[in-house]
Amino acid sequence: QSALTQPASVSGSPGQSITISCTGTSTDVGAYNYVSWYQQHPGKAPKLLIYDVSNRPSGVSNRFSGSKSGNTASLTISGLQAEDEAEYYCTSFTTSISAHYVFGTGTDVTVL
Amino acid sequence: QLQLQESGPGLVKPSETLSLTCTVSGDSISSSTYYWGWIRQSPGKGLEWIGSFFYTGGTFYNPSLKSRGTISVDTSKNQFSLKLNSVTAADTAVYYCAREHSNGCPAAYWGQGTLVTVSS
Repeated sequence: QSALTQPASVSGSPGQSITISCTGTSTDVGAYNYVSWYQQHPGKAPKLLIYDVSNRPSGVSNRFSGSKSGNTASLTISGLQAEDEAEYYCTSFTTSISAHYVFGTGTDVTVL
Repeated sequence: QLQLQESGPGLVKPSETLSLTCTVSGDSISSSTYYWGWIRQSPGKGLEWIGSFFYTGGTFYNPSLKSRGTISVDTSKNQFSLKLNSVTAADTAVYYCAREHSNGCPAAYWGQGTLVTVSS
Protein backbone atom coordinates (compact mmCIF):
# COMPACT_ATOMS: atom_id res chain seq x y z
CA GLN A 1 0.00 0.00 0.00
CA SER A 2 1.62 3.26 -1.12
CA ALA A 3 1.62 6.36 1.03
CA LEU A 4 -0.79 9.17 0.22
CA THR A 5 0.87 11.93 -1.80
CA GLN A 6 1.44 15.34 -0.24
CA PRO A 7 3.57 18.25 -1.46
CA ALA A 8 6.97 18.19 0.21
CA SER A 9 6.73 21.81 1.29
CA VAL A 10 4.34 24.74 1.39
CA SER A 11 5.10 28.24 2.58
CA GLY A 12 3.21 31.41 3.29
CA SER A 13 3.46 34.75 5.01
CA PRO A 14 1.81 35.50 8.35
CA GLY A 15 -1.87 36.14 7.94
CA GLN A 16 -2.12 34.36 4.61
CA SER A 17 -3.96 31.13 3.90
CA ILE A 18 -2.30 27.99 2.60
CA THR A 19 -3.69 24.67 1.44
CA ILE A 20 -2.04 21.26 1.68
CA SER A 21 -3.28 18.51 -0.61
CA CYS A 22 -3.38 14.80 0.10
CA THR A 23 -3.92 12.60 -2.94
CA GLY A 24 -4.89 8.97 -2.67
CA THR A 25 -6.93 6.53 -4.69
CA SER A 26 -10.44 5.16 -4.96
CA THR A 27 -9.60 2.58 -2.31
CA ASP A 28 -8.67 5.05 0.41
CA VAL A 29 -9.34 8.82 0.28
CA GLY A 30 -11.94 8.42 -2.44
CA ALA A 31 -13.70 5.55 -0.76
CA TYR A 32 -14.20 6.73 2.81
CA ASN A 33 -14.80 9.93 4.72
CA TYR A 34 -12.13 8.79 7.14
CA VAL A 35 -9.40 11.33 6.41
CA SER A 36 -7.53 12.84 9.35
CA TRP A 37 -4.84 15.49 9.57
CA TYR A 38 -2.00 15.80 12.06
CA GLN A 39 0.47 18.54 12.95
CA GLN A 40 3.91 17.58 14.22
CA HIS A 41 6.52 19.93 15.66
CA PRO A 42 10.14 18.69 15.80
CA GLY A 43 10.73 16.17 18.56
CA LYS A 44 7.06 16.03 19.50
CA ALA A 45 4.26 13.55 19.01
CA PRO A 46 1.76 14.45 16.31
CA LYS A 47 -1.37 16.38 17.25
CA LEU A 48 -4.77 15.64 15.73
CA LEU A 49 -6.18 18.63 13.84
CA ILE A 50 -8.99 17.21 11.69
CA TYR A 51 -10.92 13.92 11.62
CA ASP A 52 -13.61 12.57 9.30
CA VAL A 53 -12.44 14.93 6.51
CA SER A 54 -13.61 18.18 8.05
CA ASN A 55 -14.29 17.86 11.78
CA ARG A 56 -12.14 19.55 14.41
CA PRO A 57 -11.56 17.99 17.82
CA SER A 58 -12.31 20.13 20.81
CA GLY A 59 -9.58 22.71 21.39
CA VAL A 60 -8.28 22.90 17.82
CA SER A 61 -8.32 26.37 16.30
CA ASN A 62 -10.95 27.09 13.66
CA ARG A 63 -8.11 28.39 11.48
CA PHE A 64 -7.68 24.77 10.46
CA SER A 65 -10.25 23.33 8.08
CA GLY A 66 -10.49 20.21 5.95
CA SER A 67 -12.28 19.15 2.80
CA LYS A 68 -12.30 16.42 0.17
CA SER A 69 -13.04 16.10 -3.51
CA GLY A 70 -12.76 12.73 -5.18
CA ASN A 71 -9.45 11.12 -4.32
CA THR A 72 -7.90 14.30 -2.92
CA ALA A 73 -8.30 15.72 0.56
CA SER A 74 -7.11 19.17 1.58
CA LEU A 75 -6.14 20.98 4.75
CA THR A 76 -6.40 24.77 4.77
CA ILE A 77 -4.67 26.91 7.35
CA SER A 78 -6.05 30.44 7.42
CA GLY A 79 -4.48 33.42 9.17
CA LEU A 80 -1.09 31.71 9.11
CA GLN A 81 0.91 32.17 12.32
CA ALA A 82 4.52 31.49 13.22
CA GLU A 83 3.44 28.63 15.49
CA ASP A 84 1.92 26.86 12.47
CA GLU A 85 5.41 26.10 11.18
CA ALA A 86 5.53 22.31 11.44
CA GLU A 87 5.18 19.07 9.51
CA TYR A 88 1.64 18.06 8.50
CA TYR A 89 0.41 14.56 7.72
CA CYS A 90 -2.84 13.23 6.38
CA THR A 91 -4.09 9.70 6.90
CA SER A 92 -6.94 7.67 5.49
CA PHE A 93 -8.63 4.38 6.22
CA THR A 94 -8.30 1.90 3.39
CA THR A 95 -9.37 -1.62 2.60
CA SER A 96 -6.77 -2.13 -0.11
CA ILE A 97 -5.32 -5.61 0.48
CA SER A 98 -6.85 -5.55 3.99
CA ALA A 99 -8.32 -2.99 6.34
CA HIS A 100 -5.68 -0.59 7.61
CA TYR A 101 -4.59 3.04 7.71
CA VAL A 102 -2.21 4.75 5.32
CA PHE A 103 -0.40 8.01 6.06
CA GLY A 104 0.61 10.76 3.69
CA THR A 105 4.20 11.58 2.82
CA GLY A 106 4.16 14.73 4.96
CA THR A 107 4.33 18.44 4.18
CA ASP A 108 6.77 20.88 5.72
CA VAL A 109 5.04 24.21 6.30
CA THR A 110 7.24 27.28 6.51
CA VAL A 111 6.00 30.67 7.70
CA LEU A 112 8.02 33.29 5.86
CA GLN B 1 -6.79 12.71 31.80
CA LEU B 2 -5.75 9.99 29.39
CA GLN B 3 -2.02 9.30 29.27
CA LEU B 4 -0.02 6.72 27.36
CA GLN B 5 3.62 5.82 28.01
CA GLU B 6 5.82 3.58 25.89
CA SER B 7 8.61 1.50 27.39
CA GLY B 8 11.09 -1.08 26.16
CA PRO B 9 14.66 -1.62 24.98
CA GLY B 10 16.16 1.16 22.93
CA LEU B 11 18.49 -1.20 21.06
CA VAL B 12 17.63 -4.44 19.32
CA LYS B 13 19.91 -6.67 17.24
CA PRO B 14 19.06 -7.50 13.64
CA SER B 15 16.91 -10.64 13.20
CA GLU B 16 15.74 -10.46 16.83
CA THR B 17 12.35 -9.42 18.23
CA LEU B 18 11.44 -5.87 19.14
CA SER B 19 9.20 -5.70 22.22
CA LEU B 20 7.48 -2.57 23.48
CA THR B 21 4.81 -1.93 26.10
CA CYS B 22 2.31 0.90 26.38
CA THR B 23 1.01 1.72 29.84
CA VAL B 24 -2.36 3.47 29.87
CA SER B 25 -3.75 5.68 32.62
CA GLY B 26 -7.01 7.57 32.63
CA ASP B 27 -8.98 4.94 30.69
CA SER B 28 -9.49 1.21 30.97
CA ILE B 29 -8.50 -0.77 27.91
CA SER B 30 -10.87 -3.63 28.75
CA SER B 31 -13.93 -1.43 29.07
CA SER B 32 -12.96 1.15 26.49
CA THR B 33 -15.02 1.68 23.36
CA TYR B 34 -11.99 2.78 21.41
CA TYR B 35 -9.29 1.17 19.29
CA TRP B 36 -5.73 1.31 20.60
CA GLY B 37 -2.64 0.94 18.45
CA TRP B 38 0.93 1.54 17.42
CA ILE B 39 2.43 3.99 14.93
CA ARG B 40 6.08 4.49 14.09
CA GLN B 41 8.28 7.11 12.46
CA SER B 42 11.68 6.34 10.99
CA PRO B 43 14.32 9.02 11.60
CA GLY B 44 13.70 11.99 9.38
CA LYS B 45 10.78 10.27 7.67
CA GLY B 46 7.04 10.03 7.77
CA LEU B 47 4.53 8.21 9.93
CA GLU B 48 3.58 4.57 9.44
CA TRP B 49 0.58 2.92 11.07
CA ILE B 50 1.51 -0.50 12.48
CA GLY B 51 -1.72 -1.94 13.88
CA SER B 52 -4.73 -1.40 16.11
CA PHE B 53 -6.96 -3.48 18.34
CA PHE B 54 -10.34 -3.28 20.01
CA TYR B 55 -10.42 -5.23 23.24
CA THR B 56 -13.45 -7.29 22.33
CA GLY B 57 -13.29 -6.88 18.60
CA GLY B 58 -10.02 -8.13 17.21
CA THR B 59 -6.83 -6.69 15.80
CA PHE B 60 -5.75 -5.49 12.39
CA TYR B 61 -2.28 -4.81 11.07
CA ASN B 62 -0.50 -2.97 8.29
CA PRO B 63 -0.08 -5.55 5.51
CA SER B 64 3.39 -4.10 4.77
CA LEU B 65 4.64 -5.74 7.98
CA LYS B 66 4.14 -9.11 6.33
CA SER B 67 2.78 -10.71 9.51
CA ARG B 68 5.86 -9.84 11.62
CA GLY B 69 3.87 -7.83 14.15
CA THR B 70 1.72 -8.95 17.07
CA ILE B 71 -0.25 -6.76 19.46
CA SER B 72 -1.33 -8.20 22.80
CA VAL B 73 -3.11 -6.91 25.90
CA ASP B 74 -2.56 -7.27 29.64
CA THR B 75 -5.73 -5.98 31.24
CA SER B 76 -4.47 -6.59 34.78
CA LYS B 77 -1.83 -3.92 34.19
CA ASN B 78 -3.87 -1.85 31.74
CA GLN B 79 -1.10 -2.27 29.18
CA PHE B 80 -0.79 -3.37 25.60
CA SER B 81 2.30 -4.53 23.82
CA LEU B 82 3.88 -4.75 20.39
CA LYS B 83 6.18 -7.51 19.25
CA LEU B 84 7.89 -7.21 15.89
CA ASN B 85 10.03 -10.13 14.87
CA SER B 86 12.91 -10.55 12.42
CA VAL B 87 13.80 -6.87 12.65
CA THR B 88 16.19 -5.11 10.30
CA ALA B 89 17.69 -1.63 10.21
CA ALA B 90 14.54 -0.52 8.40
CA ASP B 91 12.61 -1.03 11.65
CA THR B 92 14.67 1.65 13.40
CA ALA B 93 12.12 4.28 14.38
CA VAL B 94 10.35 6.20 17.10
CA TYR B 95 7.44 4.02 18.15
CA TYR B 96 4.27 5.65 19.45
CA CYS B 97 1.31 4.05 21.13
CA ALA B 98 -2.01 5.78 20.63
CA ARG B 99 -5.75 5.71 21.16
CA GLU B 100 -8.14 6.49 18.34
CA HIS B 101 -10.37 9.54 18.29
CA SER B 102 -13.31 7.76 16.70
CA ASN B 103 -14.02 5.13 14.10
CA GLY B 104 -11.80 5.94 11.14
CA CYS B 105 -9.33 8.18 12.99
CA PRO B 106 -6.42 6.08 14.28
CA ALA B 107 -4.90 8.40 16.87
CA ALA B 108 -6.11 11.27 18.99
CA TYR B 109 -4.08 10.56 22.11
CA TRP B 110 -0.39 9.73 21.72
CA GLY B 111 2.41 8.59 23.95
CA GLN B 112 5.63 10.59 23.88
CA GLY B 113 7.28 7.98 21.69
CA THR B 114 10.32 5.78 22.22
CA LEU B 115 13.27 5.39 19.88
CA VAL B 116 14.23 1.85 18.98
CA THR B 117 17.45 1.33 17.07
CA VAL B 118 18.15 -1.92 15.26
CA SER B 119 21.87 -2.49 15.18
CA SER B 120 24.42 -5.13 16.02
